Amino acid sequence: QVQLQESGPGLVKPSETLSLTCTVSGYSISSGFYWGWIRQPPGKGLEWIGNIHHSGSTSYNPSLESRVTISVDTSKNQFSLKLSSVTAADTAVYFCAAYTGSYRPFDYWGQGSLVTVSS
Amino acid sequence: EIVMTQSPAILSVSPGERATLSCRASQSVSSNLAWYQQKRGQAPRLLIYGASTRATRIPARFSGSGSGTEFTLTISSLQSEDFAVYYCQQYNNWPLYTFGQGTKLEI
Repeated sequence: QVQLQESGPGLVKPSETLSLTCTVSGYSISSGFYWGWIRQPPGKGLEWIGNIHHSGSTSYNPSLESRVTISVDTSKNQFSLKLSSVTAADTAVYFCAAYTGSYRPFDYWGQGSLVTVSS
Repeated sequence: EIVMTQSPAILSVSPGERATLSCRASQSVSSNLAWYQQKRGQAPRLLIYGASTRATRIPARFSGSGSGTEFTLTISSLQSEDFAVYYCQQYNNWPLYTFGQGTKLEI
């Protein structure tokens, strides 16, 4: 059973960089799958942020691409999200998720981590 | 970018009734369409993929249909635990994904 758990600061100051980590259990990242981040502002819908393959290849939402970096650490079985130059509009619950192959929806989700951008 | 539009935004139904939710894509996504259910304070749960295939352990009262640009999620005989927000998602433009804005199913 693949399980994902987000971790990171719950409060980030405007203009700084938001950093979150997703720890995977029950599956080795280096074995395959694709790993992604999705966010949900309070009371709003889901926004896909980006994905990474265990090989390191990435894809990003064009609207966020200039500020987003997703990376993977196979030695720790983790993958990470960095979002730079944050504003209050980046306040959201951030979910990490996974899908099993190309042209697949997200099969597995973490419980989500609320990140608030405020001074 | 493929834009996904869901309707209605809010759907009021009674337990035991049938609910029909719609999702429209701005261009064809073939059958690469998924539906998720999200309850308050929880992560989304995959219900349907491939437009019509139920995910693991999803009850048979959930069914999906459609292809191309028009899709429907039907929940027959609503149970109390089905009241939630439902999202469609296209993955035809893989690896770029987009979600619809959601339909809230309420009593």
